[in-house]
Amino acid sequence: GEEVAQTPKHLVRGEGQKAKLYCAPIKGHSYVFWYQQVLKNEFKFLISFQNENVFDETGMPKERFSAKCLPNSPCSLEIQATKLEDSAVYFCASSPTKSSTDTQYFGPGTRLTVL
Amino acid sequence: QQQVKQSPQSLIVQKGGISIINCAYENTAFDYFPWYQQFPGKGPALLIAIRPDVSEKKEGRFTISFNKSAKQFSLHIMDSQPGDSATYFCAAFPSGTYKYIFGTGTRLKVLA
Repeated sequence: GEEVAQTPKHLVRGEGQKAKLYCAPIKGHSYVFWYQQVLKNEFKFLISFQNENVFDETGMPKERFSAKCLPNSPCSLEIQATKLEDSAVYFCASSPTKSSTDTQYFGPGTRLTVL
Repeated sequence: QQQVKQSPQSLIVQKGGISIINCAYENTAFDYFPWYQQFPGKGPALLIAIRPDVSEKKEGRFTISFNKSAKQFSLHIMDSQPGDSATYFCAAFPSGTYKYIFGTGTRLKVLA
């Protein structure tokens, strides 16, 4: 498709529950990025993929967060045992290459609320 | 920690006025400086971008000015319109990495 698709739009979880978010990148884009936007608008890079391979995971909280991009499937970001501070909007972006001058196209985001 | 500092946090401009948003960075090794526009409930969308070997770039009513020695870059929106009301984020792309460092955003409101 021509747009990055993210599902669900909203997700509500009780503290300690699992949350799983999905992202379908633009067709033909090899790179996928996940960002977390917290309430003060701050974006935090989480992880990036080159096709199904992790490219950069320096932003991922290793203990509870995991992500995958498998062939012929949407990419996913999973949070085990959610905490209140995980409440945020999670954006997925895709890009045709890793070049700095290639635009990262963002999806509409998934708003996660942890109660 | 590489940072991009953005100001002001919010901005109110009359229709037809000039909106100016500033960003400063702390690391010299950045390859690219995009500006993103985000409307409520939507993902950020690229507005305009500049490379560090260029001092100014203009696209329609939007201009980026880049001052390499001062490590600052700014977005100017000429003839601001109510439809420009959104949150604007500057970003920087550190050399050797493949992820954006975002500023903290500026909420722009253009009064009709």
